[in-house]
Amino acid sequence: GAGVSQSPSNKVTEKGKDVELRCDPISGHTALYWYRQSLGQGLEFLIYFQGNSAPDKSGLPSDRFSAERTGGSVSTLTIQRTQQEDSAVYLCASSLNRQGAGEAFFGQGTRLTVV
Amino acid sequence: TQLLEQSPQFLSIQEGENLTVYCNSSSVFSSLQWYRQEPGEGPVLLVTVVTGGEVKKLKRLTFQFGDARKDSSLHITAAQPGDTGLYLCAGAHAGGGADGLTFGKGTHLIIQP
Repeated sequence: GAGVSQSPSNKVTEKGKDVELRCDPISGHTALYWYRQSLGQGLEFLIYFQGNSAPDKSGLPSDRFSAERTGGSVSTLTIQRTQQEDSAVYLCASSLNRQGAGEAFFGQGTRLTVV
Repeated sequence: TQLLEQSPQFLSIQEGENLTVYCNSSSVFSSLQWYRQEPGEGPVLLVTVVTGGEVKKLKRLTFQFGDARKDSSLHITAAQPGDTGLYLCAGAHAGGGADGLTFGKGTHLIIQP
């Protein structure tokens, strides 16, 4: 596609439910990032995929968070047993090459509200 | 984790004034990027600086990479209300690293008409 696409754009869920957030990166981009942004804050790194390498999961805040990237393209971020503190905007970005000066292209994010 | 500290966190000034925001780290980066994010949107790349001491200009915005490639600054001349947004710096490491792009927490800039 023309840009990074995320779905849904908004998600309201009840505490304790599981949610799945989807990211379609730009075709051909080998690097894919997930970030979390709380209201009025900067970006918190969650997870990074690069090609066929094992993902860097060092930013995932708890074992309730997991992510997959199937076929080196679409990625799904799953949050199990959601908590109110999970409420935030979840941003996905893709990059042609993470080495050096690769530009990250961001989607518009999924705004998650846990009630 | 390689930390990038941005300052100030918040800045509100009048239209026409000049301002500078800073991005500092104790780590060396192969390159540093500046992004601007507007409400409801994802960040959009403004510029990438690669060489120590490099200066890049984008209309009224001037970006500088420190000689040691550990810090950067963004200077805006004659700020306009359209410059309002969250400015994020991000450092990249050559040869890979644990965190991909490392982002600072950003500077919230408001330009009042």
